[in-house]
Amino acid sequence: QVKLQESGPGLVKPSETLSLTCNVSDGAFSDYYWSWIRQPPGKGLEWVGFITDSGTFNYNPSLKNRVSISMGPSNNHFSLKLTSVTAADTAVYFCARELMVAAADTFGVRHYDHWGQGILITVSS
Amino acid sequence: DIQMTQSPSSLSASVGDRITITCRASQSISKYLNWYQQTPGKAPQVLIYGASNLQSGAPSRFSGSGSGTDFTLTVSSLQPEDFATYYCQQTYRSPWTFGQGTKVEIK
Repeated sequence: QVKLQESGPGLVKPSETLSLTCNVSDGAFSDYYWSWIRQPPGKGLEWVGFITDSGTFNYNPSLKNRVSISMGPSNNHFSLKLTSVTAADTAVYFCARELMVAAADTFGVRHYDHWGQGILITVSS
Repeated sequence: DIQMTQSPSSLSASVGDRITITCRASQSISKYLNWYQQTPGKAPQVLIYGASNLQSGAPSRFSGSGSGTDFTLTVSSLQPEDFATYYCQQTYRSPWTFGQGTKVEIK
């Protein structure tokens, strides 16, 4: 059973860079989209972006070129960097595995089938 | 971006009730619609993908329907563990977007 676990500092100062890592255990790394989703306290879900093991990536344009997702720093890890953070970036950050499955009347549907428990990141001086 | 609007934002119901949550997309998304359940302090879990496909391990009392712009999630008989917040998500066009959530509370 694949498991995901986020790690990183719980507190980041305004204007600094938020760095998080997701450890993926007990599962294959290929053929999936390794994703980050965030949730401000008491609010809804926001897609941040994804990367594949072949290096394909896509980010939410709302983050205005502040975000990057990469594989590593070691095997079965992927990472998130968000620069120039403000209080608006305070959220629970989830890493998740996204896959594409066959579904009627579609060319394949993507959804998240495994999630980490989430890590609360607070931006404050 | 495609906007997803859920209704109602919250509802109160009793164990055994049948409930329906609606999700509307700002443009047609065919059947590229997923439903997630989130309980407090936990990560969301997928219930339905592709508008109407029940995720393996999800209880059969959950069902989804719809295509184009209008979708529904139905719980045929609410159980105590179903009191949670439900989100729809479109994966038709990037950026993926979620509805604002529907909180199901105990009456």
